Amino acid sequence: DAMVIQNPRYQVTQFGKPVTLSCSQTLNHNVMYWYQQKSSQAPKLLFHYYDKDFNNEADTPDNFQSRRPNTSFCFLDIRSPGLGDAAMYLCATSREKGRRAEAFFGQGTRLTVV
Amino acid sequence: GESVGLHLPTLSVQEGDNSIINCAYSNSASDYFIWYKQESGKGPQFIIDIRSNMDKRQGQRVTVLLNKTVKHLSLQIAATQPGDSAVYFCAETDANNAGNMLTFGGGTRLMVKP
Repeated sequence: DAMVIQNPRYQVTQFGKPVTLSCSQTLNHNVMYWYQQKSSQAPKLLFHYYDKDFNNEADTPDNFQSRRPNTSFCFLDIRSPGLGDAAMYLCATSREKGRRAEAFFGQGTRLTVV
Repeated sequence: GESVGLHLPTLSVQEGDNSIINCAYSNSASDYFIWYKQESGKGPQFIIDIRSNMDKRQGQRVTVLLNKTVKHLSLQIAATQPGDSAVYFCAETDANNAGNMLTFGGGTRLMVKP
């Protein structure tokens, strides 16, 4: 059974048109992460929530925002997608941080910008 | 900055042979390591982890070896099967990192020849 669910699996958006990607989890984990993964590259952390505390990576562009309205859901908002934002976006969760930081990943949403 | 990296971008093995995927890390404070398997179009899937107080850990057909002296991690897959074909990432986190985020290495593509 899927524990980290991302919707949609594939998203096509127009250049400059805001888009939102969704993630939900059934694990009741405290931490939720968003990663960006470009072709043949490792996942790159954009930001994470520890409970309601939002933590942005220093090099994450302002174009990327996130919301976590409750424990189960987390959203990635791209305010003005550019061609360079085309990538796989991965949501992950972990029970805690540190030594219990094993992350469980969703299947990802592949974003195409046209 | 600190980084986690892999030596070989592509590894091709014959079905039934053993595979060894290597990973080097540079952060001496790293104390928890995970290997992930990512199949095409899917999110990373946890394979096995190891903590810095161990130098070897075995799972089903997989073994992870940790050499803290040279900051090297390897994943050994016994009797490699076609279903093992994927990209393998090592990831690390360190106890001194207040954010304790996973840092991913560059990935190795494993190709299994029938």
